[in-house]
Formats: sequence, structure tokens, C-alpha cells
Amino acid sequence: GEDVEQSLFLSVREGDSSVINCTYTDSSSTYLYWYKQEPGAGLQLLTYIFSNMDMKQDQRLTVLLNKKDKHLSLRIADTQTGDSAIYFCAEPNTDKLIFGTGTRLQVFP
Amino acid sequence: EAQVTQNPRYLITVTGKKLTVTCSQNMNHEYMSWYRQDPGLGLRQIYYSMNVEVTDKGDVPEGYKVSRKEKRNFPLILESPSPNQTSLYFCASSGTGQAGELFFGEGSRLTVL
Repeated sequence: GEDVEQSLFLSVREGDSSVINCTYTDSSSTYLYWYKQEPGAGLQLLTYIFSNMDMKQDQRLTVLLNKKDKHLSLRIADTQTGDSAIYFCAEPNTDKLIFGTGTRLQVFP
Repeated sequence: EAQVTQNPRYLITVTGKKLTVTCSQNMNHEYMSWYRQDPGLGLRQIYYSMNVEVTDKGDVPEGYKVSRKEKRNFPLILESPSPNQTSLYFCASSGTGQAGELFFGEGSRLTVL
């Protein structure tokens, strides 16, 4: 099937780390993506990782890829209230992106 | 400013009344796509277009039509809307030759009574 799965909610305290997990289905995907949707807005590409990498770090963001388990995670260090949003992982499939259900991250003070 | 513009942003209509949601991009992108977002279901692709006059069905095309007469525009047409088409709709475009790095519009929230 073409299911990309994520947990629906995550709640963290400001300053803590957040880890958002995703499982995907197609082991031949060359890229995997994380998109961020802020309230009332469209999705924006947050980061991506090549399938031949295990890890990618970009400032407060760390993406980990476990190809054997088809597991992708996004870690946000020092989570801030401005990080509150819905985060989608996505994998390409021919001419489209398949999105996960999205994880709503809530950051509380 | 590079952007994807959708109109209307909000619309309440009644069953059966034809409507069109417009989408325009100013980035000269070849690839454009429509998604709908529903709670618990994530984003599902409705239609996409690889270039002018080239369109194809996505995962949930029933009840929708599209056209791509110009590169910049990709309207979504609901000929006879029904309540199950109440949703948040997003248009997106990509210039990278693959459907990965998408630029999204801000969304159009449609309610069909």
C-alpha cells in the first residue's frame, strides 16, 4: 500500500526537544521530505534527506533515516512556541507526493 | 515575490451549484497539483498536471475537473458540489521536475451545504 503513517499529536514543553516519527512504504524513494503547516497557512518545505544518508542536521533540526525499518524522524532541539504547527512527512511516488496524516505539535510554556 | 495564489480563500455554497477555485503561480513551474486536506487523512491528491494541456488523476478525482490551458493557471472545477467535498483545498507547484519540492498556496476552505 501507499500509507505514510504518523502519530497525530505531540505536546512538549518549551525548551525541550521534540521528536516526530514517520513510517513510509517505498524503499526505493530517493528523497524523503518534512513539511510544516502553520495555522491558517499552506505547507512549506522544512527539510529533506537523500535516501543514501542516515542523518541530516540543519540548525535546530535533525532528520534521521532508518531505511531498514522505513522509519524517518524529525527532531527539533530547544522547541519554541513558534514551532507549534502540523508536521507532515512525505515520500515521492512517480508523479506525486504521498503525505502522512500529519503530527500536530503543541508547545506549552 | 514567488507565490501560489488561490481564490477564493473561503467559500460556502449549496449542493449542486457549480464553482471554480482558481490557482495561479508566478514561478514558471511546469508541475501543478491540487490536494484536499481532511482531519485524520492528511493530504490527498486530486489532480495534477505535468505541463500545459497535460493533466492526470490523483487519488481522489471523483467529482472534480481541472484544466491547464496556460502554464501559470490550474483551476479546480466542482461541477455539482456535494457535502462530502467540504474540505480544505491546496494548490501546489513544483519546478524541480519531480513532485517533491512543492510550493503551496494558502488554501481554500470550502463548505458545501
